[in-house]
Amino acid sequence: GQNIDQPTEMTATEGAIVQINCTYQTSGFNGLFWYQQHAGEAPTFLSYNVLDGLEEKGRFSSFLSRSKGYSYLLLKELQMKDSASYLCAASDSNYQLIWGAGTKLIIKP
Amino acid sequence: NAGVTQTPKFRVLKTGQSMTLLCAQDMNHEYMYWYRQDPGMGLRLIHYSVGEGTTAKGEVPDGYNVSRLKKQNFLLGLESAAPSQTSVYFCASQIAGEAYNEQFFGPGTRLTVL
Repeated sequence: GQNIDQPTEMTATEGAIVQINCTYQTSGFNGLFWYQQHAGEAPTFLSYNVLDGLEEKGRFSSFLSRSKGYSYLLLKELQMKDSASYLCAASDSNYQLIWGAGTKLIIKP
Repeated sequence: NAGVTQTPKFRVLKTGQSMTLLCAQDMNHEYMYWYRQDPGMGLRLIHYSVGEGTTAKGEVPDGYNVSRLKKQNFLLGLESAAPSQTSVYFCASQIAGEAYNEQFFGPGTRLTVL
């Protein structure tokens, strides 16, 4: 079957660094997305990885290991506005997105 | 550009009632999707469309119908609402089907079925 696993909730301190992990099992693989979703709002795109390695985009970076079925999202210099859910989604052989349940990130001052 | 819009934003139905959710996008995107989001679960695909006049079933299509008569609009119908359809419904659009293309989401419709 197809499955995405990510932690349900994480807590971090303002100004710190946090890493949100995601493991995936899909029939075929065409890339891994990360989306951010603030409470009561729509998901918004953060990153896309299809090759192994780290992609950096400002304070946010995303890593992919295809051989391990593993990705992580790294958030640096955390700000209170980063409090949100972070959704991991893998694109399968039909280019359909299989979504994780999301990781709720709580930032404390 | 308004992006992706959804109407209504909130709705309460009684079991057995029907309703239509409207999604509109002004980005000239080919692909459109309807998802539902429930607590503790990932987004689940209900139906999708790869172009005007086409629709296809997703992971959880039962109890829903869709239509894409115009490229910019994607309608989701509930024929006879059930409490299990209480959820937040998101519409999304995508410029085309390539894997690297991000999906753009509407603000969601919060539906409660009593």
